Amino acid sequence: DVKVTQSSRYLVKRTGEKVFLECVQDMDHENMFWYRQDPGLGLRLIYFSYDVKMKEKGDIPEGYSVSREKKERFSLILESASTNQTSMYLCASSRSTAPYGYTFGSGTRLTVV
Amino acid sequence: AQSVSQHNHHVILSEAASLELGCNYSYGGTVNLFWYVQYPGQHLQLLLKYFSGDPLVKGIKGFEAEFIKSKFSFNLRKPSVQWSDTAEYFCAVIANQAGTALIFGKGTTLSVSS
Repeated sequence: DVKVTQSSRYLVKRTGEKVFLECVQDMDHENMFWYRQDPGLGLRLIYFSYDVKMKEKGDIPEGYSVSREKKERFSLILESASTNQTSMYLCASSRSTAPYGYTFGSGTRLTVV
Repeated sequence: AQSVSQHNHHVILSEAASLELGCNYSYGGTVNLFWYVQYPGQHLQLLLKYFSGDPLVKGIKGFEAEFIKSKFSFNLRKPSVQWSDTAEYFCAVIANQAGTALIFGKGTTLSVSS
């Protein structure tokens, strides 16, 4: 069963901490994505990557960075966590051409206190 | 860059009522369109998708959507809703070109009373 795995289901971190969210896919997909989901705002794209070591800013990249050293792994980094980064974070992967076949992870609910 | 607008934030219906959720996108080129559903406490699930061909797309659980290119719309419909359709519904679009990402609308919460 193909899947996207996010390393943590729930995380609680303190303000100012550096936070790593990890995502691994086993479908050999070229593209990987990080979204955050907030009530009333839907899913907003933070960063995506269409190849190893490549990254593109999404709609809300401020306060985040990413790393993609291997094709199957895409990490989201909060350099200095703040309370307004409390959210549900969703990782996804897809093929690079249609039909894209987006697959989503189960999400990480991050609370920054 | 593409964007997606969902007209209704919260829709309340009785069982057996008909449903139509509006979705408009902005992008001048070829797009692929999706509707996702998220039931309370669960993950996103794909309801249906449009890539090409027949603009009337049928998905799971009796849902369908119609792509109207001239109106940049992809509205979701269901003739008769059930209590179990209570969920949040997201429209999403991706430009059919390399290096782009799926962009979501803000979602519509559907509440169905029995």
